[in-house]
Amino acid sequence: GAGVSQSPSNKVTEKGKDVELRCDPISGHTALYWYRQSLGQGLEFLIYFQGNSAPDKSGLPSDRFSAERTGGSVSTLTIQRTQQEDSAVYLCASSLGTSGGQNEQFFGPGTRLTVL
Amino acid sequence: DQQVKQNSPSLSVQEGRISILNCDYTNSMFDYFLWYKKYPAEGPTFLISISSIKDKNEDGRFTVFLNKSAKHLSLHIVPSQPGDSAVYFCAASRGGATNKLIFGTGTLLAVQP
Repeated sequence: GAGVSQSPSNKVTEKGKDVELRCDPISGHTALYWYRQSLGQGLEFLIYFQGNSAPDKSGLPSDRFSAERTGGSVSTLTIQRTQQEDSAVYLCASSLGTSGGQNEQFFGPGTRLTVL
Repeated sequence: DQQVKQNSPSLSVQEGRISILNCDYTNSMFDYFLWYKKYPAEGPTFLISISSIKDKNEDGRFTVFLNKSAKHLSLHIVPSQPGDSAVYFCAASRGGATNKLIFGTGTLLAVQP
């Protein structure tokens, strides 16, 4: 079956430009997460969606970062006025739910963002 | 504040032997632990998980052990195979409303043929 897909796979942008990253979760998964992995670091939580609502945005590093989810499915992560420190791999994950055994999160391949 | 720690950045093991990957955590509120495996240029792949009410979970060649008093968990792979060579991440969640995962920094496992 189809897994989590993300686009683009790679994005190179100039400092100060805006970027949009897209995530298509596994069909039927109500929970959706965004993480990022900077060079040499572990994965860092950014935001969590349950359906179209985002009850936990605590990981977004600044107000330049925003995300939305529509139709309980596709999500976009937008970074405005990109900075070099935004360079990282941005990973999306989805899960059936959020309790116990439903919390196995399935990850997409990621979008590698490079800000020049 | 690193709540989940993997103190060994790398580990090398001979094919057929046991690989033991370790993970320590500081937050006693964590109630679910997971191991993920990651190949270059791919997203992490779920391997195995364990609830805090258990101390062992086994799935084929993979076994996860949880020692709550020591706030320590480990992943055992036996026998190790060259295809197991990857970065392994330990992750933990607190349950509740979001179940967001807190990840360690990963251990690169190299299984030598």
